[in-house]
Amino acid sequence: AQKVTQAQTEISVVEKEDVTLDCVYETRDTTYYLFWYKQPPSGELVFLIRRNSFDEQNEISGRYSWNFQKSTSSFNFTITASQVVDSAVYFCALSEVNSGGGADGLTFGKGTHLIIQP
Amino acid sequence: EPEVTQTPSHQVTQMGQEVILRCVPISNHLYFYWYRQILGQKVEFLVSFYNNEISEKSEIFDDQFSVERPDGSNFTLKIRSTKLEDSAMYFCASSRNRVVDTEAFFGQGTRLTVV
Repeated sequence: AQKVTQAQTEISVVEKEDVTLDCVYETRDTTYYLFWYKQPPSGELVFLIRRNSFDEQNEISGRYSWNFQKSTSSFNFTITASQVVDSAVYFCALSEVNSGGGADGLTFGKGTHLIIQP
Repeated sequence: EPEVTQTPSHQVTQMGQEVILRCVPISNHLYFYWYRQILGQKVEFLVSFYNNEISEKSEIFDDQFSVERPDGSNFTLKIRSTKLEDSAMYFCASSRNRVVDTEAFFGQGTRLTVV
């Protein structure tokens, strides 16, 4: 069965600090997809990134970067020079390819509540 | 920018009553999903829907739940006889292709409170 663990329940940093959110996953499949979503105080889920299991290249998008390491089953998310607007709950999620060949449901971690203090 | 729309934003219902949560997915999307999030907890997959039938469902999605696409635009989740533990935020999502190929876009959620 698939599982996503976000061990950090809450992180609080001062604005402009860098912060890394950890995500460790478990799956028996060789083909799977990893995601990060942001849930701001308003409650919606905002898609940040999707990564397939065959692509281990790190990705950078502005102040966001992701480090995918298959060897340790981790997909960590770093925010550089954090801002108050980054305050939110961040969810890591996993999707396996089902028997029909298409991945459907996402398995979410419990989320990390990130607080950026001014 | 196209978005997934959910109504109502908040619904209060008495235990044992039926509720229908409504969603309007993005118009050119073909895959539809319902998730729920009990307050303060993780988001949990309920069901996915494609080509007018359920594609996948979780253990949470038992006989009291059903989904329907009654017309070309709406996607609904019905809970037949609500229980206190059904109180949660329910998210609808849609994607153009399967999640392997493209991201799913989530609605703002409907907060269901069962009293």
